Amino acid sequence: GAGVSQSPRYKVAKRGQDVALRCDPISGHVSLFWYQQALGQGPEFLTYFQNEAQLDKSGLPSDRFFAERPEGSVSTLKIQRTQQEDSAVYLCASSLDRGHQETQYFGPGTRLLVL
Amino acid sequence: AQSVTQLDSQVPVFEEAPVELRCNYSSSVSVYLFWYVQYPNQGLQLLLKYLSGSTLVKGINGFEAEFNKSQTSFHLRKPSVHISDTAEYFCAVSDLAAGAQKLVFGQGTRLTINP
Repeated sequence: GAGVSQSPRYKVAKRGQDVALRCDPISGHVSLFWYQQALGQGPEFLTYFQNEAQLDKSGLPSDRFFAERPEGSVSTLKIQRTQQEDSAVYLCASSLDRGHQETQYFGPGTRLLVL
Repeated sequence: AQSVTQLDSQVPVFEEAPVELRCNYSSSVSVYLFWYVQYPNQGLQLLLKYLSGSTLVKGINGFEAEFNKSQTSFHLRKPSVHISDTAEYFCAVSDLAAGAQKLVFGQGTRLTINP
């Protein structure tokens, strides 16, 4: 079946621009995660949704970052007034249910470059 | 907070040689442990996970890992590697004491297979 998809795959933004990154999780998956992966680093947690509820946003680096999942399926990560340090790959993952044992399935990521 | 250390940033090996990728995590409290592989321009794919039971876990593509609670380690091994194993490998932990099932990743180990 279809996996997690993300769009766009690549995004170049000028500093100060707003960007929106989209994630389509696997159909029926309850949990959705966003991670940020800087060059040469492992992914770092940003935020977590269970259905439409954002239960953990402790990893969002600043109030310029905002995520939503209004209908419990597609999610959007928005970054306002982008800065150069926002350049990274943004990964989305989904899992069938809540629970630490659940496997997270990752999308290919959106590579954001802020000039 | 949990942390994960992958002791080697790069590991070059010859084809058909054995390999071990090392991973240590920061706490011995209840955790689940994961190894993911990332091929170029692709999302992370689960290799294997340890939840409970036997400390030797077998995964896909001939990989296995051993959970060692006393040493807080979860090293990944393969007895004979192939060119196709060239990729970035990430160790991750899910802290059962945390509210959400977010993953904490290591920095990654780049495995390069030489013919």
